[in-house]
Amino acid sequence: DAKTTQPPSMDCAEGRAANLPCNHSTISGNEYVYWYRQIHSQGPQYIIHGLKNNETNEMASLIITEDRKSSTLILPHATLRDTAVYYCIVRVGYSGGGADGLTFGKGTHLIIQP
Amino acid sequence: DAGVTQSPTHLIKTRGQQVTLRCSPKSGHDTVSWYQQALGQGPQFIFQYYEEEERQRGNFPDRFSGHQFPNYSSELNVNALLLGDSALYLCASSQRGTNQPQHFGDGTRLSIL
Repeated sequence: DAKTTQPPSMDCAEGRAANLPCNHSTISGNEYVYWYRQIHSQGPQYIIHGLKNNETNEMASLIITEDRKSSTLILPHATLRDTAVYYCIVRVGYSGGGADGLTFGKGTHLIIQP
Repeated sequence: DAGVTQSPTHLIKTRGQQVTLRCSPKSGHDTVSWYQQALGQGPQFIFQYYEEEERQRGNFPDRFSGHQFPNYSSELNVNALLLGDSALYLCASSQRGTNQPQHFGDGTRLSIL
């Protein structure tokens, strides 16, 4: 699976949009981008995933660049409860023979300021 | 609909002992993966079980072993515990054959004295 690069930490004001970048310049055509977050003392929580199109759900939006070498997770109206470590993970899709083990980096520690 | 459940939540052992951790997957999931998360680090993949067999393994010694039962629940066993095995052990479940995400439990905090 391709390697990802994320900033170690970011701050965002409560009520503003939080934009978390991820670089995955070696991504291949059959690799998906997944985002998880982990609040202290809890297990990772799935947020969103995509292949090449932008995706949106009730939690966030995922914007993937046209060349797929980077992506941005957007939390539209950040609250204090969004303070967590956010992980960007790239994984080969099942049809490409990918196995299910996820490779986590150190993620981005997002701190929402009141 | 219950999510992934793990037991116990906390455990204290001493060096050289053996430990068994348990995981029940989310309803509808048939695949279980285990991860180890040391303090301040991201989770590291240990292994994955599907159809009661180990299908993929990360870079962990064979002191780490597992089992999956016909109801898809799973156990993680660690023998000859070392101080470095102190960590949060996470279980994740998923549905084989799809690109749907893994769902994680809240883990078992294992402390080795």
